[in-house]
Amino acid sequence: QVQLQESGPGLVKPSETVSLTCTVSGYSMTSGYYWGWIRQPPGKGLEWIASIFHSGSTYYNPSLKSRVTISVDTSKNHFSLRLNSVTAADTAVYYCARGSIGFWSAYFGYWGQGTLVTVSS
Amino acid sequence: QSALTQPRSVSGSPGQSVTISCTGTSSDVGGYNYVSWYQQHPGKAPKLMIYDVSKRPSGVPDRVSGSKSGNTASLTISGLQAEDEADYYCCSYAGSYVVFGGGTKLTVL
Repeated sequence: QVQLQESGPGLVKPSETVSLTCTVSGYSMTSGYYWGWIRQPPGKGLEWIASIFHSGSTYYNPSLKSRVTISVDTSKNHFSLRLNSVTAADTAVYYCARGSIGFWSAYFGYWGQGTLVTVSS
Repeated sequence: QSALTQPRSVSGSPGQSVTISCTGTSSDVGGYNYVSWYQQHPGKAPKLMIYDVSKRPSGVPDRVSGSKSGNTASLTISGLQAEDEADYYCCSYAGSYVVFGGGTKLTVL
């Protein structure tokens, strides 16, 4: 059974960088599938942030691309997200998820429970 | 890039059918057969209900179905049950990126 678990700081100050990690268990990331980050501001809808393949191939939301880096560490079976220059608008629950075999299919079949990141001084 | 357009809310009585629409453009929904749908209960992670427009993952009942016509995709839930009350989101490939809809709250009366 594929399981994903997000980890990271719950509180970040404005203008700082937030780093999140998603640890995958029950499945080797090198076996395939894209892996992604999706966020959801409180009371609002879902927003795709970025996706990565185990080889390092990446895709980014154009509206966030300048501030986001997604990376993968297959030796630890985890992938990470860095979002810099955060503002209150970045306050959200951040989910990691297993995507589709090909990026174009663009679906997310397994999700972590989500981690709330609050941007506040 | 803009979010896909969904109605803010829909409702139906137990046993009835409801359809949720998801309207995009020829650059996303209309351009590819890669639309997915997610169900989200309060405080929970989203759950994949439909992918590739009309395919159901294992475990999703066959009273849930998806379709697409032009730039609009649709999710239909028949035989409504109380547990279907949730938020629903559509999602589409948009050629090198992914876009979600704004979400629809389904109320079972």
